[in-house]
Amino acid sequence: GAVVSQHPSRVICKSGTSVKIECRSLDFQATTMFWYRQFPKQSLMLMATSNEGSKATYEQGVEKDKFLINHASLTLSTLTVTSAHPEDSSFYICSKITPGSMGYTFGSGTRLTVV
Amino acid sequence: AQTVTQSQPEMSVQEAETVTLSCTYDTSENNYYLFWYKQPPSRQMILVIRQEAYKQQNATENRFSVNFQKAAKSFSLKISDSQLGDTAMYFCAFMSNDYKLSFGAGTTVTVRA
Repeated sequence: GAVVSQHPSRVICKSGTSVKIECRSLDFQATTMFWYRQFPKQSLMLMATSNEGSKATYEQGVEKDKFLINHASLTLSTLTVTSAHPEDSSFYICSKITPGSMGYTFGSGTRLTVV
Repeated sequence: AQTVTQSQPEMSVQEAETVTLSCTYDTSENNYYLFWYKQPPSRQMILVIRQEAYKQQNATENRFSVNFQKAAKSFSLKISDSQLGDTAMYFCAFMSNDYKLSFGAGTTVTVRA
């Protein structure tokens, strides 16, 4: 099946620093990828749609200057949390559409802790 | 944005028995896709079952089946012969024509030995 590799799985950073999360499609090219945020025991909330070669589309209420998305190639999308604060601590998950199935394949997620 | 409602925060079921999770949604679209995803403690999202709105026949995948009622905008999941490995959080999700997924709040299922 389709494979999405997300890295790192866990990261702890100091308040005020930036953290980059990578999401890589290992099999099929992915011109579009999605980034979600999930707080403990809550649902996944779509943050933005990452489009290869163009600007990301952010959902309402998501600060695009804080959550920088880059989709520079057909297999890699990155999410950079800039000037992280403790309230940014969360679980971040990327996904792509699985070709031919109208389903999604998800990365394994990144647990971000800002101290 | 589409609204997906899961009204059961938690469900508990005895091993080998059946449990049904409810899901309703709100949309003005006629063609769409519905999903149930499983998120075990590892937090990896796993597709359980998918339903195309244009299909009247309910989808089944081994021990998992759905009851899709399009007019009522209802999409429940039945887990038969529950196994310990079914313990997880289950999310109902709606995919609209722009390929965005909207998730329900989730239902935590605990299978008791």
